[in-house]
Amino acid sequence: SAVISQKPSRDICQRGTSLTIQCQVDSQVTMMFWYRQQPGQSLTLIATANQGSEATYESGFVIDKFPISRPNLTFSTLTVSNMSPEDSSIYLCTIEDWGGRENTEAFFGQGTRLTVV
Amino acid sequence: AQKVTQAQTEISVVEKEDVTLDCVYETRDTTYYLFWYKQPPSGELVFLIRRNSFDEQNEISGRYSWNFQKSTSSFNFTITASQVVDSAVYFCALSESLTGKSTFGDGTTLTVKP
Repeated sequence: SAVISQKPSRDICQRGTSLTIQCQVDSQVTMMFWYRQQPGQSLTLIATANQGSEATYESGFVIDKFPISRPNLTFSTLTVSNMSPEDSSIYLCTIEDWGGRENTEAFFGQGTRLTVV
Repeated sequence: AQKVTQAQTEISVVEKEDVTLDCVYETRDTTYYLFWYKQPPSGELVFLIRRNSFDEQNEISGRYSWNFQKSTSSFNFTITASQVVDSAVYFCALSESLTGKSTFGDGTTLTVKP
């Protein structure tokens, strides 16, 4: 099993500012993803964080609003830019270790609970 | 496009009752993975089970059991002798085998009353 550390665990931010969320894994993993969970809603995929190249964004999410970095196989950051109250959500980092199809499991970080005021 | 439907928005049971959470999925992929996650009030997402599309064997883990039926595209989750600590939101998810992307259902809020 992999261990994912995500920080900060929660934050309250002023509108118009930006917050960078970090996701650290204790082993090298192939795939890292960022999800958003708005209040009372399900999880929605923001993007796939690709090591050494630009992230792949899902429909409705853009790089200018959610820039992502992935400098190596154990670390990624998600920035929520120019925040508004609508960005108040839980942001979750997850990995899928494809080291062996039958050993594939999904693990989530503990999430970052963001409130924008 | 993939889709996961959890038709039960909220379920309330009394402790020790059995409860089944339904999950129906749609996909064009022949190879895929199905997951169940638990999200307690604290907010973290807890992985419960993964099942690949070629393995239709039912699985039991303690009080938890899962019934995967490809013929009906369903992956239902049963909690036997429910406990108050089982109260949480439960998500069913479908993952593409090649990309690893997951599509989540809307979740079922389970409340177990003492």
